[in-house]
Amino acid sequence: EIVLTQSPGTLSLSPGERATLSCRASQSVSSSNLAWYQQKPGQAPRLLMYGASSRATGIPDRFSGSGSGTDFTLTISRLEPEDFAVYYCQQYGGSPLYSFGQGTKLEIK
Amino acid sequence: EVQLVQSGAEVKKPGDSLRISCKGSGYSFTSYWITWVRQMPGKGLEWMGRIDPSDSYTNYNPSFQGHVTISTDKSISTTYLQWTSLKASDTAMYYCATLGGGGFTSSWMRDWGQGTLVTVSS
Repeated sequence: EIVLTQSPGTLSLSPGERATLSCRASQSVSSSNLAWYQQKPGQAPRLLMYGASSRATGIPDRFSGSGSGTDFTLTISRLEPEDFAVYYCQQYGGSPLYSFGQGTKLEIK
Repeated sequence: EVQLVQSGAEVKKPGDSLRISCKGSGYSFTSYWITWVRQMPGKGLEWMGRIDPSDSYTNYNPSFQGHVTISTDKSISTTYLQWTSLKASDTAMYYCATLGGGGFTSSWMRDWGQGTLVTVSS
């Protein structure tokens, strides 16, 4: 079983600051099989990044993804008020086929 | 525009059966696998299983296999998640989503339904 561990659990930042969210896998994950999602309260998750570094349709370029193997990062270059949410990483290919990290809550400082 | 519209909230008793639905529109329904994701109150996301709408082939998370059934009716572009005997621990929000990336190796969840809240209480 591939376990994804996200850190930090909660990140407190101010608008305009840079956010760096980490996702560490217990086993190597192909970059093509790593995705990130944003979830706001009362809403369904939204796909942000796929293939570790490709932005989904309509996602602003202040969002970027990187990493390989067991270490992946989601970076938000300059936080906007609408970016404060919970972020999940997700892998495909292990057992179970898909799994999510436990989430990082990005909150306003 | 791809849309997934899920059925409405349900309140059930332990032991009841239930089927919730997810109707796709705005795309060729058989072109993308559909997956179901559980989110228990205040918790994270859990993958339950997926189905290929073209032939109803399914894969399940072992943690959910035997407790839920995923099915599809491509004639009405709808996928279902079904329980024969609900437990209180099934209380959660359930989301459907299309899988992107292509076929059997689709690796990300592209378009999401709005969610169906299932409450199981005696």
